[in-house]
Amino acid sequence: ETGVTQTPRHLVMGMTNKKSLKCEQHLGHNAMYWYKQSAKKPLELMFVYNFKEQTENNSVPSRFSPECPNSSHLFLHLHTLQPEDSALYLCASSQDETSGRDTQYFGPGTRLTVL
Amino acid sequence: GDSVTQMEGPVTLSEEAFLTINCTYTATGYPSLFWYVQYPGEGLQLLLKATKADDKGSNKGFEATYRKETTSFHLEKGSVQVSDSAVYFCALGSNDYKLSFGAGTTVTVRA
Repeated sequence: ETGVTQTPRHLVMGMTNKKSLKCEQHLGHNAMYWYKQSAKKPLELMFVYNFKEQTENNSVPSRFSPECPNSSHLFLHLHTLQPEDSALYLCASSQDETSGRDTQYFGPGTRLTVL
Repeated sequence: GDSVTQMEGPVTLSEEAFLTINCTYTATGYPSLFWYVQYPGEGLQLLLKATKADDKGSNKGFEATYRKETTSFHLEKGSVQVSDSAVYFCALGSNDYKLSFGAGTTVTVRA
């Protein structure tokens, strides 16, 4: 498999559930990103990892918890979410995060609905 | 800070029409500029990019030229198809690793 993959593609959860989103990149990149895409709002950067180390937490609530066990895998653990957290969550990767000039490659996203 | 402003949509066109989506940017230094496309139900895909002034990015019949004098990176296609219906995002990347995205322009092409 090539590129950036994300599972699941769709997720419906209640506010008291705990779930995790998974992202895997097969591009040999060192940097990985989580974005949130809500209807009628600009794309929001949530977290950045470079060589497995978190380098950015863009004021994201603690009910979102990222994990990066290695440069190829990125998780987003979800707990006690709110209905306004319903959105498309996109994962991306790039060769490294030291330069924004690097192209970021996106996965297909997970469509999350919080009831 | 760095930012991009792109034409608000939605844009509706007939097949074989000419498409232009305007994008202007504000940046210090010498950013790279990107156009991403998002088809219904999918993530963002890189459409084209340009890394320095006067560069032209092109892909799938789309073109955009990095114009430093007008701080613009307008996307054009001479003859659109129904399959070009999507949301198009202009983005800027500079020394900071963050990409600055425009709000997106929804394009619908009718047969």
